[in-house]
Amino acid sequence: EIVLTQSPDFQSVTPKEKVTITCRASQSIGSNLHWYQQKPDQPPRLLIKYASQSFSGVPSRFSGSGSGTDFILTINSLEAEDAATYYCHQSSSSPHTFGGGTKVEIK
Amino acid sequence: EVQLVQSGAEVKKPGESLRISCKGSGYSFTSYWITWVRQMPGKGLEWMGRIDPSDSYISYSPSFQGHVSISTDKSISTAYLQWNSLKASDTAMYYCARHRCSSASCENWFDPWGQGTLVTVSS
Repeated sequence: EIVLTQSPDFQSVTPKEKVTITCRASQSIGSNLHWYQQKPDQPPRLLIKYASQSFSGVPSRFSGSGSGTDFILTINSLEAEDAATYYCHQSSSSPHTFGGGTKVEIK
Repeated sequence: EVQLVQSGAEVKKPGESLRISCKGSGYSFTSYWITWVRQMPGKGLEWMGRIDPSDSYISYSPSFQGHVSISTDKSISTAYLQWNSLKASDTAMYYCARHRCSSASCENWFDPWGQGTLVTVSS
């Protein structure tokens, strides 16, 4: 089973700051890495597919990069509505696995 | 609009059985897999398994194999997650989501997601 390790676990950020979340895979997964945003009492929402492809309707301040074992989700110019927990997900091999999540709080 | 609508919240006692559902609409139900994800209170996301409604092929996570059953009724565009004997540790929110991957097209991300079904198991 591929283990995804996210860092940091928690981040407190002021509006308009840049946020960087990393996801490291225990083995190479190519670009088979996706990012989700989950707000309290809501299901997850897809932000980025296949490491760097923006999903339809997602604000352009969200971007993804990386391949192999190291991936980054970047939120440029954080807005108050971005307060949420962010998860990475690998679909390279079964079972699918998720990172432990990164909670982003607005200062 | 592509939608997955899940059945409502359930409160059950340990040892009871349960089946929750996920109904797809706005797309060809047999063209996409349905996956199930568990989220225990205050915790992260865990992939449980997925089913291909076109042929009912199922893949389970080893962590959930033997503890739950996934099925589908393609005539009513609905997938199911079932327990024969619930435990208190099954208390969680359960989500369904859509994805697919074949030699022709691989869209192996999860979208959309159902709204979630909260299952509470308590004596």
